[in-house]
Formats: sequence, C-alpha cells, structure tokens
Amino acid sequence: GIQVEQSPPDLILQEGANSTLRCNFSDSVNNLQWFHQNPWGQLINLFYIPSGTKQNGRLSATTVATERYSLLYISSSQTTDSGVYFCAVLLYSSASKIIFGSGTRLSIRP
Amino acid sequence: ETGVTQTPRHLVMGMTNKKSLKCEQHLGHNAMYWYKQSAKKPLELMFVYSLEERVENNSVPSRFSPECPNSSHLFLHLHTLQPEDSALYLCASSQEGQGRTEAFFGQGTRLTVV
Repeated sequence: GIQVEQSPPDLILQEGANSTLRCNFSDSVNNLQWFHQNPWGQLINLFYIPSGTKQNGRLSATTVATERYSLLYISSSQTTDSGVYFCAVLLYSSASKIIFGSGTRLSIRP
Repeated sequence: ETGVTQTPRHLVMGMTNKKSLKCEQHLGHNAMYWYKQSAKKPLELMFVYSLEERVENNSVPSRFSPECPNSSHLFLHLHTLQPEDSALYLCASSQEGQGRTEAFFGQGTRLTVV
C-alpha cells in the first residue's frame, strides 16, 4: 500500500523561529491534508491541498504532486504551535481512505 | 465548535464490559470513518462507511463492531476488550463523490481498558 513519510520526527525550536515540515508519499494520491493535533488529541484542519500553494496567516503549504511531496511552513513560531503535525493522503477508489504519516512533533520553547 | 461530535470524551472499562462510542456529524457528509491512535503509533484506519454501507474493514478484531444507522451517526460497539485496545479513538466524516471535501475529525474518545 501507499507509504506516507514525514520528517523530521521531532523538532524543537525557540519562539519566533521558522520551520519546514516535509511529507513524502510513495504513489499518486487524489488529495492531501495537513492537520495539527493539539494536546487534547483533537485534529485541527490546516490545509486541504492537492497541489500548489496555500497560505493561512503564519502557515503555508505547498504540494508538488508530480514529485510526491508536500511541505508545511510555519513562520514566527509561537508556543501555541506546539503539538503534532500530521500529513494525510486521500485515496479515492472503491472505498475512500485517508492514510496518515507518523507525524512531526513540534515543541516551541518560550 | 466542531462539526463532528464524539461521546464520551473519556471511557474506562473492564475487559468484560460492553460499551459503545458515538459519533455524530452535522456537516451533511456521506462518509464516516473510525480511526485508532495508540501511543507512539500512527493513526490506523479501522472502518469506513460510505452512504451508510461499510466499504472498508481494515482487519479489525471482531470485539470492535461498527454501526452506521444513518449518514449522520456512527457507533463503535466494544465488548471483551484487551488492555492493548486502550487508545484514542477518532471519528471523521467527509463528502465523497461529486463535491468532495476535506475530512473533519471529532475530538476523540480516550479509552482505557483495565
């Protein structure tokens, strides 16, 4: 089946720093989402991005589907950005599947 | 406020108990999902329902039994669970077919089996 790999697995930064999280996937996908999991376990939607670039405040994402990767950029990090960031690929076939990567754990120090 | 609501938020149950997790979506979606998230593991897809029909059962043990009575509700019935079933259980919904949308998740039910 399709493999979704995220890097780095862990990232520790000082408040105000910028970061880039990467998601590689092994096969063609129909779509891709980025999520932030908060300390209480809830998955917060960040981007729904099959290709191209989107921006939302300090966050932006780029997906290059032909090269099978996506990047999530966080600028001017805040402590509230801490948590786990997941990339998930969406496969539309006989049964829709959402396959998750193993996540990047981001810790922002004050 | 999330469009996908899960209850209860926390559950502690013994191995001989029977309990149910509930998920309700208010987004008008036609597909719903159960995921399991164990400590230090990626999210694992358990079941997918599309138009109230189960279309995916990802080799889940029979002690987990899903039910989708209508497009807005999804249940996960639990019986004779094992301690290793302790995990965060997440429900999601999305719109499939024409007008596809992104998936949205509920807050999760944190299950502890004792």
